[in-house]
Amino acid sequence: QKEVEQNSGPLSVPEGAIASLNCTYSDRGSQSFFWYRQYSGKSPELIMSIYSNGDKEDGRFTAQLNKASQYVSLLIRDSQPSDSATYLCAVRASKIIFGSGTRLSIRP
Amino acid sequence: KAGVTQTPRYLIKTRGQQVTLSCSPISGHRSVSWYQQTPGQGLQFLFEYFSETQRNKGNFPGRFSGRQFSNSRSEMNVSTLELGDSALYLCASSLVWGNEQFFGPGTRLTVL
Repeated sequence: QKEVEQNSGPLSVPEGAIASLNCTYSDRGSQSFFWYRQYSGKSPELIMSIYSNGDKEDGRFTAQLNKASQYVSLLIRDSQPSDSATYLCAVRASKIIFGSGTRLSIRP
Repeated sequence: KAGVTQTPRYLIKTRGQQVTLSCSPISGHRSVSWYQQTPGQGLQFLFEYFSETQRNKGNFPGRFSGRQFSNSRSEMNVSTLELGDSALYLCASSLVWGNEQFFGPGTRLTVL
């Protein structure tokens, strides 16, 4: 079992819809959770961080954390073509582990 | 505020050589982490430094080493390069250990 798992995709979502990206992790001692966006040929860019159970909203993005289920998700509302990228989930316990990423494609 | 800078941006080496990559963190950031990114393996953690001390190390051979200086700048070194070391090497900085990390543009290393 991978330490941080993400569906590799591609996930195709129509423009204006909600994109839902999911991530599960294995280390119950994990304390910090991050979502990064990476465009092709670019380095990862931090979108959200979340540290406690529940939802955290920032603009069109909402991160959701459920430590009991070892699950973290990212919702993107009103998806735009510019949201097409690979989304990386990162989880930190003693060290930070990245998932392999989900490719998101927003179709016009 | 300037972001994380990495030099050089591109590098071509041959097998057996060694290479040193440099990273300057965001001003005020004291923690620096290094990652290797390849299409097949994704983003793999190499090591993490905070206040000149290595806090964590990933599962890479001893050919990969790093250090952090008193001004928080960091270098990583790879000795006896192998073809499989061809990758994008990313540096990320954070204010303190454990916080949000911000990535630099990366150094693209090609080993021939």
